[in-house]
Amino acid sequence: SQKIEQNSEALNIQEGKTATLTCNYTNYSPAYLQWYRQDPGRGPVFLLLIRENEKEKRKERLKVTFDTTLKQSLFHITASQPADSATYLCAREGGGNKLTFGTGTQLKVEL
Amino acid sequence: DADVTQTPRNRITKTGKRIMLECSQTKGHDRMYWYRQDPGLGLRLIYYSFDVKDINKGEISDGYSVSRQAQAKFSLSLESAIPNQTALYFCATSDSKDARNEKLFFGSGTQLSVL
Repeated sequence: SQKIEQNSEALNIQEGKTATLTCNYTNYSPAYLQWYRQDPGRGPVFLLLIRENEKEKRKERLKVTFDTTLKQSLFHITASQPADSATYLCAREGGGNKLTFGTGTQLKVEL
Repeated sequence: DADVTQTPRNRITKTGKRIMLECSQTKGHDRMYWYRQDPGLGLRLIYYSFDVKDINKGEISDGYSVSRQAQAKFSLSLESAIPNQTALYFCATSDSKDARNEKLFFGSGTQLSVL
């Protein structure tokens, strides 16, 4: 089965620093990976999609990388703010137009 | 107004009861999904539908059934609820016309507790 692994431990960083979250996958490289943000009591919200043939994708303060050799995607938030505190989910294309989600990493940005 | 609306937001029920969770969407998307989320297990796919006449099992469909009443409506039923079905349930939609960028749009979720 296609698995996605994210660090289950919460990441605490100081405001203004860059947060880096990791997503590792198994088996074959997916056609794309997606990142979502989830706030408590709310549904996940799509942030970014990166394809297998793209090494990096940016959107405002967000950056995602895709390394098919390491079987890994990194998600960066630069100049982090307390409002960035949330759980971030990684998802891989798992065949048949379905997504397989990781368990998410909780990010806390402190003043 | 929310594009993907789930009702109810919270539900407490007893073991053995039949319960239905409803989802409606105004996005005009053809694809709809039901997921459940448990602490430490992440989101897991229960059922999905790519069109009104299309129903497919996900990875954890046992104990659940679905009905796609219209393009905009997709309901999830628990025929005989059991405590380990206590979870946060999400409905999601996607647009097949955007297949190369197929992202999901989620509702706000239904917290179900089975006692």
